[in-house]
Amino acid sequence: ETVLTQSPGTLSLSPGERATLSCRASQSVSSSYLAWYQQKPGQAPRLLIYGASSRATGIPDRFSGSGSGTDFTLTISRLEPEDFAVYYCQQYGNSPFTFGPGTKVDIK
Amino acid sequence: QVQLVESGGGLVKPGGSLRLSCAASGFTFSDYYMSWIRQAPGKGLEWVSYINSNGRIIYNADSVKGRFTISRDNAKNSLYLQMNSLRVEDTAVYYCARVPGHWGQGTLVTVSS
Repeated sequence: ETVLTQSPGTLSLSPGERATLSCRASQSVSSSYLAWYQQKPGQAPRLLIYGASSRATGIPDRFSGSGSGTDFTLTISRLEPEDFAVYYCQQYGNSPFTFGPGTKVDIK
Repeated sequence: QVQLVESGGGLVKPGGSLRLSCAASGFTFSDYYMSWIRQAPGKGLEWVSYINSNGRIIYNADSVKGRFTISRDNAKNSLYLQMNSLRVEDTAVYYCARVPGHWGQGTLVTVSS
């Protein structure tokens, strides 16, 4: 099983700042099948990034994904008020298609 | 627009069964791999089950193997999750989702005596 570790657990930032979220896999993720999701309270998760670096339809370009192998990063270039949420990474290259524990981005 | 609408959740006693359904619209359902994912109250996301586009390849999490069965009917644009031998720890919101991609709003399953 591929275990995903996300860091930090919580990121406290102000609007306009840059957010850098890390997702590390216990083994190489096949073909960069790594996705990032955003979840707000009471809502379903929303796909932000798939294939490690491809933005999903309708996702603002302040969100970017990078990485390969075992190390992946989600960057939010300038935080908007609506970006404060929990972010999860998921690998979908090998079963079980595991999720990381999440990073909460909250307002400083 | 892409829509996934889950139904079939509810309150069930331990050892009971439920069948969840997910109605898809706004895209060519038969082209997409699909999954069920769950989220226990206040917890993170747990992947449950996966099915490929023609239904011939299925994967399940160890926590549900032998108890849950995923299936699909491409003619009806629908995804299903048959859940048997339910346990208290299966209590969660269950989401259907494209792999990777759009998620439904979820349906709550509560297992309690």
